[in-house]
Amino acid sequence: EVRMVESGGKAVRPGGSLRLSCEASGFIFDDYAMSWVRQVPGKGLEWVAGINWNGGNTGAAPSVKNRFIISRDNARNSVYLDMGSLRVEDTALYYCCRMGGTHIYGSGFDFWGQGTLVTVSS
Amino acid sequence: QSVLTQPPSASGTPGQRITISCSGSGPNIGRNWVHWYQQVPGSAPQLLIHSNIQRPSGVPDRFSGSKSGSSASLAISGLRSEDEGDYYCAAWDDRISSVVFGGGTKVTVL
Repeated sequence: EVRMVESGGKAVRPGGSLRLSCEASGFIFDDYAMSWVRQVPGKGLEWVAGINWNGGNTGAAPSVKNRFIISRDNARNSVYLDMGSLRVEDTALYYCCRMGGTHIYGSGFDFWGQGTLVTVSS
Repeated sequence: QSVLTQPPSASGTPGQRITISCSGSGPNIGRNWVHWYQQVPGSAPQLLIHSNIQRPSGVPDRFSGSKSGSSASLAISGLRSEDEGDYYCAAWDDRISSVVFGGGTKVTVL
């Protein structure tokens, strides 16, 4: 069974930093690209960042570029999101998603975790 | 303001067929695959249609996708109460090198 379990979400102050982790199981991890997608409670979905199968290519949404960094450790079946210079508008539920192929472009998000909540507030 | 445009709501009675539109432009829907997601209340989204028209295993054939030019559509036939929820379209956007989503469409079964 494909499974992603996110962790690391918590309440932080504006300007602070946070690392989210996602541990995957049930599939050959380095056969797939991975992404983070966020959702403000009651609002729509927003792609945050993605990473290809070997970590050699990453991408991030304009709203988080230069503040958030995605990485992966294939030996640990894990993907991470390092979040810096956090803003109130980064408050959201962050989902870890498997993509349907090896690259971040073109593929849909075929499996989703349950999410981890990040709250940015003073 | 979402890059892809969806109607905020759609509704129908049980057994009816409804469609949800998703309008984009050349750099996104015009040149790339469209994917659709269903999110029922209290749950994570799940992939409903990928690559414009493909259904993942386990998705009923009541759900179908189509694409023409820079627009796409999701059709739900034989509408059922468990189809209530939010539906999102998404595509890669070559201009900003990002995945872009529609704002979502809330489906209500009357």
